[in-house]
Amino acid sequence: GQQVMQIPQYQHVQEGEDFTTYCNSSTTLSNIQWYKQRPGGHPVFLIQLVKSGEVKKQKRLTFQFGEAKKNSSLHITATQTTDVGTYFCAGRSDKLIFGTGTRLQVFP
Amino acid sequence: NAGVTQTPKFRILKIGQSMTLQCTQDMNHNYMYWYRQDPGMGLKLIYYSVGAGITDKGEVPNGYNVSRSTTEDFPLRLELAAPSQTSVYFCASSFDRGDSPLHFGNGTRLTVT
Repeated sequence: GQQVMQIPQYQHVQEGEDFTTYCNSSTTLSNIQWYKQRPGGHPVFLIQLVKSGEVKKQKRLTFQFGEAKKNSSLHITATQTTDVGTYFCAGRSDKLIFGTGTRLQVFP
Repeated sequence: NAGVTQTPKFRILKIGQSMTLQCTQDMNHNYMYWYRQDPGMGLKLIYYSVGAGITDKGEVPNGYNVSRSTTEDFPLRLELAAPSQTSVYFCASSFDRGDSPLHFGNGTRLTVT
């Protein structure tokens, strides 16, 4: 069945450092969504990527969708303490399957 | 708009008890979902519904039941609670199946002892 894996599982960075999480699907995706979950909170939608090779930016966040539409990445430039949380990708082929998430901790 | 509202926020159950987790949305979304999230893990789909009167199983449906009598409400029923059902449960809704983002409720933290 369809599987979506994310790496790394955890990432601790010093404030101001960059951060990247990677998402890999076992099947080709029609689109991929990214969510952020603050500690103790619920997932909140960040963005959706649809086209092969698509790149979208939201301030310090850069999202990429792979050419083969089987992988994606989220890069945060110059992390801030407000970036703390778990970042999930969710890939859609037949169904929307959530990745395992990357927990980001930012030390001031 | 309140969005997606879940009740209760917390619940402790004894093994073998039953309960219903309530979920309602006021966005007129056709699609509704129930996910469970175990500590440090991702989200697993329990059940989903594409509209009133229609429900379908997700990845981990065993031990749960759902109903969708109205567009707004999508309750999740736990029969004979087991410790393995200790988790955080999230209800979500979306406008359609395609490109729409999921809107999540605040979650119900359930402990079965």
